[in-house]
Amino acid sequence: DTGVSQDPRHKITKRGQNVTFRCDPISEHNRLYWYRQTLGQGPEFLTYFQNEAQLEKSRLLSDRFSAERPKGSFSTLEIQRTEQGDSAMYLCAIPAVNQETQYFGPGTRLLVL
Amino acid sequence: RKEVEQDPGPFNVPEGATVAFNCTYSNSASQSFFWYRQDCRKEPKLLMSVYSSGNEDGRFTAQLNRASQYISLLIRDSKLSDSATYLCVVNAKSFQKLVFGTGTRLLVSP
Repeated sequence: DTGVSQDPRHKITKRGQNVTFRCDPISEHNRLYWYRQTLGQGPEFLTYFQNEAQLEKSRLLSDRFSAERPKGSFSTLEIQRTEQGDSAMYLCAIPAVNQETQYFGPGTRLLVL
Repeated sequence: RKEVEQDPGPFNVPEGATVAFNCTYSNSASQSFFWYRQDCRKEPKLLMSVYSSGNEDGRFTAQLNRASQYISLLIRDSKLSDSATYLCVVNAKSFQKLVFGTGTRLLVSP
């Protein structure tokens, strides 16, 4: 158990629909990260939060993507007007105690039809 | 050019074999280095950190060569349960993003 839960674990949607994913760290962490992993690739950084503040966003995060961490605990990632290219596993991560590496939640697997 | 490069494999080896994976990274400012393991349809899990002095954890040995910007992982006496994808990971800036290679797939057969 890495101390991070994600919901839903799987999501199938039609192109053009909006989807929202949630990440819940079990304990308090000042930092929280989102990554995306497509088939045959390693995870790619999307964005990260320091408490409530979103401090860095990858250029992968188009304007259809928005992430929030309103109370500095759980986080949501919303994708508007989904496209087939959004099909991927979306991973949430928290920093390790030494802050050098990260532990990942189980991910949300998105399939856009 | 990708920031972290790995041979995607697959590497097919028999049980008991020794197998080595290599990885190169392009950002000389990279500060921390790791190997993660990922099972099919699961999240990546930290396998071990990598240091210039080398480090060993049971059958696993990792090595970093900063001058060559090269990272290696050696697995001795392979087990069936070692079958997975091994991801080379660097952290260029403290507290920020991890950069992953594409992963190297290992298949250990009886």
